[in-house]
Amino acid sequence: GQQVMQIPQYQHVQEGEDFTTYCNSSTTLSNIQWYKQRPGGHPVFLIQLVKSGEVKKQKRLTFQFGEAKKNSSLHITATQTTDVGTYFCAQRAINDYKLSFGAGTTVTVRA
Amino acid sequence: NAGVTQTPKFRVLKTGQSMTLLCAQDMNHEYMYWYRQDPGMGLRLIHYSVGEGTTAKGEVPDGYNVSRLKKQNFLLGLESAAPSQTSVYFCASSYSATSGGKDTQYFGPGTRLTVL
Repeated sequence: GQQVMQIPQYQHVQEGEDFTTYCNSSTTLSNIQWYKQRPGGHPVFLIQLVKSGEVKKQKRLTFQFGEAKKNSSLHITATQTTDVGTYFCAQRAINDYKLSFGAGTTVTVRA
Repeated sequence: NAGVTQTPKFRVLKTGQSMTLLCAQDMNHEYMYWYRQDPGMGLRLIHYSVGEGTTAKGEVPDGYNVSRLKKQNFLLGLESAAPSQTSVYFCASSYSATSGGKDTQYFGPGTRLTVL
């Protein structure tokens, strides 16, 4: 089956610092989606990447899709307390109805 | 629009008891999903449906049954609850299941289930 590797599992960040979380797949992907789950909340869609090498930005968040469409990254600059939560990547293989979610990166911020 | 709603929000069961979790969506989505979330394991797909009257097994279907009698509702049943089914259950829906921007999944608020 499709393997979804997401690293790191935990990220403790000083407020104002940058960090990156990575998502890797064993298969070529149709697309990759990123979701954020605040503590006690439910996953909320952030963005979808479809094209090889695609880069998208949302304010301080930069999302990238690998050239081979097998990996992705989320980079957050100048981390704020509002960035606290768990970030999941979700992968869809070609011709698959289902999304496969990574285990998530849980982010905590030190003020 | 309410989006995706789930009932109940919390439930405590004894081993062997049964219950049904209800998911409802008002977005006219064809696809609906049930996930369970356990610490360190992300979201694991239990069952899903590609349309009214259809269901299919996901990654961890054992011990669960589902029904989709109406397009807007997706029910998850536990016939004989076990402590291993203690988890947070999320329902989700999407307009499509193919790439192109319409396969975004919208999640409900979750049901926190404890089985003693």
